[in-house]
Amino acid sequence: DIQMTQSPSSLSASVGDRVTITCRTSQSISSYLNWYQQKPGKAPKLLIFVASVLQTGVPSRFTGSGAGTDFTLTITSLQPEDLATYYCQQSYSTPTFGGGTRVEIK
Amino acid sequence: EVQLVESGGGLVRPGGSLRLSCAASGFTFSNAWLSWVRQAPGKGLEWVGHIKTKTDGGTTDYAAPVKGRFTISRDDSRNTVYLQMNSLKSEDTAVYYCSTYGSGRKFDYWGQGTLVTVSS
Repeated sequence: DIQMTQSPSSLSASVGDRVTITCRTSQSISSYLNWYQQKPGKAPKLLIFVASVLQTGVPSRFTGSGAGTDFTLTITSLQPEDLATYYCQQSYSTPTFGGGTRVEIK
Repeated sequence: EVQLVESGGGLVRPGGSLRLSCAASGFTFSNAWLSWVRQAPGKGLEWVGHIKTKTDGGTTDYAAPVKGRFTISRDDSRNTVYLQMNSLKSEDTAVYYCSTYGSGRKFDYWGQGTLVTVSS
């Protein structure tokens, strides 16, 4: 299986800050990388697929980039409603998820 | 609006069985691949398995920890997907989510989840 390493595991930032989460895979996966947001007590929600395509309805402050083994999810201006845990998932082969990044608001 | 509603969770003893259901609406169910994903308490997400459409062969695939113990099936006439879980272990304790499994192996839409607790 392809291993996924997300960093950091948690972060705290202020409203309006730029936040960056990284995901590294154990082998090249081209652009087959998806990002999910899971708010406390809720089901995950698809944010971005194939590394950079925004799912319908997702605010444009969320952007994804990367290819190969290194990927980034950026929130350009953090909002209070972005309090959540974010997961990456590779879709190159049998799906696997990263360990998650918990985003807290200062 | 796409809706997925899981049911059937509960407390079961180690070695026991449980069947989860996921009722779907808001999309053409027979055209959708469907998946189960679980989340142990306080932990991350883990893919459990998926089932293809009948047009694509209706075949299933499973994660190694559940292969041979869990079975996914679908009833297109009822717009429902099932997860039959046998020989349950304590490490199967988790919230189980059903999800549409869209092109490119992405989990497009999710249900609210159902909690399975395996304990004596």
